[in-house]
Amino acid sequence: EPEVTQTPSHQVTQMGQEVILRCVPISNHLYFYWYRQILGQKVEFLVSFYNNEISEKSEIFDDQFSVERPDGSNFTLKIRSTKLEDSAMYFCASQTGGDFTEAFFGQGTRLTVV
Amino acid sequence: AQSVAQPEDQVNVAEGNPLTVKCTYSVSGNPYLFWYVQYPNRGLQFLLKYITGDNLVKGSYGFEAEFNKSQTSFHLKKPSALVSDSALYFCAVRAPLRGGNKLTFGTGTQLKVEL
Repeated sequence: EPEVTQTPSHQVTQMGQEVILRCVPISNHLYFYWYRQILGQKVEFLVSFYNNEISEKSEIFDDQFSVERPDGSNFTLKIRSTKLEDSAMYFCASQTGGDFTEAFFGQGTRLTVV
Repeated sequence: AQSVAQPEDQVNVAEGNPLTVKCTYSVSGNPYLFWYVQYPNRGLQFLLKYITGDNLVKGSYGFEAEFNKSQTSFHLKKPSALVSDSALYFCAVRAPLRGGNKLTFGTGTQLKVEL
């Protein structure tokens, strides 16, 4: 069964450093997302990406964040200068298309900023 | 703005008994509703969805959910719980007319099924 894969599973970084979280969405999907889940809290939407551009972003997704789909298969989330409060589980998701279809989530990358 | 409420942080049920995990939503326009399950150190796994049509929807692993428009609810149910159902359950809503394709999640309900 096709699945969304994320690497790495765990990333530890120093405050102020740049990190790139990587995702390989399901191959025929058209919509891509990043969500995050701070420990013990709910899953929050960060950004959606369609047709090679951001279609929607939340207030959390400020200038420190960027997304890219560089080669038609990978989908990356970059945080330019990490802060302690960026520590969270980051989930990538993809969707075939159409608002009636479900999103499929990867297993997540746990980001720890120290 | 769209929102989801899961009023119970934890639900405990004995194996073999029916279970219900509650969810209410607030959205402009017609909602698209989803249930996801999260096992420890794993991603979110899709269980079922309501888009339109029959208010009772059936999903994976014997789960079902009933859409109630007047009560703005979408409770998750299973007739006979298993210990292996123990996990964190999230209700989510999508409001395509106003909210785009993003999912708004509830805070999650920890389901514990005991022998």
